[in-house]
Amino acid sequence: KAGVTQTPRYLIKTRGQQVTLSCSPISGHRSVSWYQQTPGQGLQFLFEYFSETQRNKGNFPGRFSGRQFSNSRSEMNVSTLELGDSALYLCASSLGGLYGPGELFFGEGSRLTVL
Amino acid sequence: SQQGEEDPQALSIQEGENATMNCSYKTSINNLQWYRQNSGRGLVHLILIRSNEREKHSGRLRVTLDTSKKSSSLLITASRAADTASYFCATDEGSSNTGKLIFGQGTTLQVKP
Repeated sequence: KAGVTQTPRYLIKTRGQQVTLSCSPISGHRSVSWYQQTPGQGLQFLFEYFSETQRNKGNFPGRFSGRQFSNSRSEMNVSTLELGDSALYLCASSLGGLYGPGELFFGEGSRLTVL
Repeated sequence: SQQGEEDPQALSIQEGENATMNCSYKTSINNLQWYRQNSGRGLVHLILIRSNEREKHSGRLRVTLDTSKKSSSLLITASRAADTASYFCATDEGSSNTGKLIFGQGTTLQVKP
């Protein structure tokens, strides 16, 4: 069974640009979550999608957005990039259900550097 | 905001020794999970313990949960150099259907051969 695939793995952008990151979950998983990891703030929840609907959103500005497609693949977009957006962006998939997220399966992440 | 506070922040031990990491959290939970992260890589799920469980084992891992103290510990026995990684606890804040986990700041474990 293929794991969670994130693309691209590394990217460099300049301030003011926008970026789109992609995540393909494990086959059969309907829940996709996104996390931002930085040395200062640690792992912070961005948002979670289940069956194309955003179920929860973290405390991030509106520049951060996401979506999920009918095949459960997900994308997140960051517009008007700032230096502080430099981070490892992690996608995780799970079966999702009624009783909490359960075990999350993470991809290797997309490392974004903003210059 | 960080739900979990982990202690210690860093731990260095010799191969064969045991490693204990602690996690405290703030709200009620449905379950608590532990994850491992090798440098710059994705997280790998280690173990999940439900709020009505007090102890759980998986191979060389032993997790305890004390909901009255809102704390958990992860014990790795007979550590190996390959156990060198960062370890994170994560909770669900008691919400039954959010898909959201709150992670602690993590403990960096170094196992010297």
